[in-house]
Amino acid sequence: DAGITQSPRHKVTETGTPVTLRCHQTENHRYMYWYRQDPGHGLRLIHYSYGVKDTDKGEVSDGYSVSRSKTEDFLLTLESATSSQTSVYFCAISGQGVHTEAFFGQGTRLTVV
Amino acid sequence: SQQGEEDPQALSIQEGENATMNCSYKTSINNLQWYRQNSGRGLVHLILIRSNEREKHSGRLRVTLDTSKKSSSLLITASRAADTASYFCATVGGYQKVTFGTGTKLQVIP
Repeated sequence: DAGITQSPRHKVTETGTPVTLRCHQTENHRYMYWYRQDPGHGLRLIHYSYGVKDTDKGEVSDGYSVSRSKTEDFLLTLESATSSQTSVYFCAISGQGVHTEAFFGQGTRLTVV
Repeated sequence: SQQGEEDPQALSIQEGENATMNCSYKTSINNLQWYRQNSGRGLVHLILIRSNEREKHSGRLRVTLDTSKKSSSLLITASRAADTASYFCATVGGYQKVTFGTGTKLQVIP
């Protein structure tokens, strides 16, 4: 597996609390992504980063923020968790160059109660 | 709405048959990729086709791309039970933005 680690792997949290998920890579890849996966929707892009401190919104960014202060870490924060944010979250990375593949982490299962 | 949509949503075939999945997308792309996901796991890259290519092969996989119709297809020949998984197309645009379709769930019956 590519050097991607997501933490935590599982989390249960209460509605209204902030939650931060971490994606850590050891590949020195430029691009990093956060997706959520829900039945019937496939993977939907939340935010992505094209460099340190360079981020952009995806399809479903409302209620989420991200930060990338160094190449290896990409943090996803749910500012005030809601039950609709219960999902499996995947981090991915891809390298320099237009035609490169993405490598995925193992996912974080988040339950908001 | 999502960039890509796949068709069919689910497909069930007998071992040895061919499986064809289709993907339609909305905006211009640099390349299109196909991924596989086994239940409960992350996605694994299968094949990449560039926007100036029309067809590509890798083992039992054949991918076509029609940029005028904004569509792609993935053909798995001589399917095996181990091919049972969900398959996703992903489009790659500017700034290496990667967006996925809704996926096709393939079941290969031994």
